[in-house]
Amino acid sequence: AQSVSQHNHHVILSEAASLELGCNYSYGGTVNLFWYVQYPGQHLQLLLKYFSGDPLVKGIKGFEAEFIKSKFSFNLRKPSVQWSDTAEYFCAVNAGDSNYQLIWGAGTKLIIKP
Amino acid sequence: ETGVTQTPRHLVMGMTNKKSLKCEQHLGHNAMYWYKQSAKKPLELMFVYNFKEQTENNSVPSRFSPECPNSSHLFLHLHTLQPEDSALYLCASSQDGTGLNEQFFGPGTRLTVL
Repeated sequence: AQSVSQHNHHVILSEAASLELGCNYSYGGTVNLFWYVQYPGQHLQLLLKYFSGDPLVKGIKGFEAEFIKSKFSFNLRKPSVQWSDTAEYFCAVNAGDSNYQLIWGAGTKLIIKP
Repeated sequence: ETGVTQTPRHLVMGMTNKKSLKCEQHLGHNAMYWYKQSAKKPLELMFVYNFKEQTENNSVPSRFSPECPNSSHLFLHLHTLQPEDSALYLCASSQDGTGLNEQFFGPGTRLTVL
């Protein structure tokens, strides 16, 4: 069965620190990749997605993610985090043999200290 | 109302009760989803409806029964649940059920089974 792994359940950073959240998946074929975010008290929402083309994808609020096919990874990055980035971040993969439904990681809770 | 709404927001029920969760989307989408979200676990896709037809049922126990009377409404009927069914139940919608389009989520129903 396909799976998505997010390496850290909790990450705590200070404001202005750089962020990288890991995401690895276990499917060897064509994939479509997503990062969703859930801010405190808000709904899950799409942060960015990758289907094809430039493996470096830019999303909302200064986030970006890089697809590295050889590493089966799609890590999320932000050069300088803000307190308002405190949220839970979910990686999701849409793979050919999942009937094109999303397979989700367990999420990473990010806390930014002011 | 805009986006995806869910009622009730919180539900406490005994193991012998029958209750229903309701989801409504105001986005003109054709696909709707039920997910189960448990702490520290990936989102589990339960059911997918595409153009009112059920296209996915991920081995969900029969004590969960979905209903999709039209593209805007989705119900999850619950009966004789178990304490391990306590979780956050999320509804989502997307333009279609291919898994390639952004999914828009509701706020969830926090279910506690006593």
